Amino acid sequence: QVQLVESGGALVKPGGSLRLSCAASGFSFSDYYMSWIRQAPGKGLEWISYISSTGTTKIYADSVKGRFTVSRDNANDSFFLQMNSLSGDDTAVYYCARDRGPRGWFDYWGQGTPVTVSS
Amino acid sequence: DIVLTQSPDSLAVSLGERATISCKSSQSVFHSSNNKNYLVWYQQKPGQPPKVLISWASTRNSGVPDRFSGSGSGTDFTLTISSLEAEDVAIYYCHQYYTTPRTFGQGTKVEIK
Repeated sequence: QVQLVESGGALVKPGGSLRLSCAASGFSFSDYYMSWIRQAPGKGLEWISYISSTGTTKIYADSVKGRFTVSRDNANDSFFLQMNSLSGDDTAVYYCARDRGPRGWFDYWGQGTPVTVSS
Repeated sequence: DIVLTQSPDSLAVSLGERATISCKSSQSVFHSSNNKNYLVWYQQKPGQPPKVLISWASTRNSGVPDRFSGSGSGTDFTLTISSLEAEDVAIYYCHQYYTTPRTFGQGTKVEIK
């Protein structure tokens, strides 16, 4: 069955950096787009980035553009989010999700990894 | 960006009664090339990630009970739970995948009265 397991969430100071990872299994990872979606405490869902199956296309929400970088390693069924210049607004649970493409929905989600930005 | 507005923000329904959630889009998510509405409904239970209930506005996902149904087209959509069960307590989100950035409604919390 499809499994997505995020890791790397932590408490980080404002201005700091963090790298999240997502390990995928149970499907042909290299055939799928992947996305990161976040949920601030007690708030709704915000899509923040997707990467195409080959890694050639990377798209970001305006809220993270220029600060976050998405990447993937198809040889190891892994997906990453490098987050720089973090602020309190970035405090959230970060989910990786299998993405049916830019005109598709997120059909499987991981359990999420929490990121807290605080001094 | 497409803004999705759900109503109500929360509702309390007796077990066995109907729950109805509205999702209104700031622009149409209907694509005439394939006659499909690019809208999905998710269910999120406490401490869990969202789970797909309905895609293409009205197509129930495999394994989803038939008490869940989706309807609507263009800019106005509805999720209906025909007979609420205790396990349906959750937050429900609509989500459009018509255009980037793909956006979500703010969520509707369903509780037992």
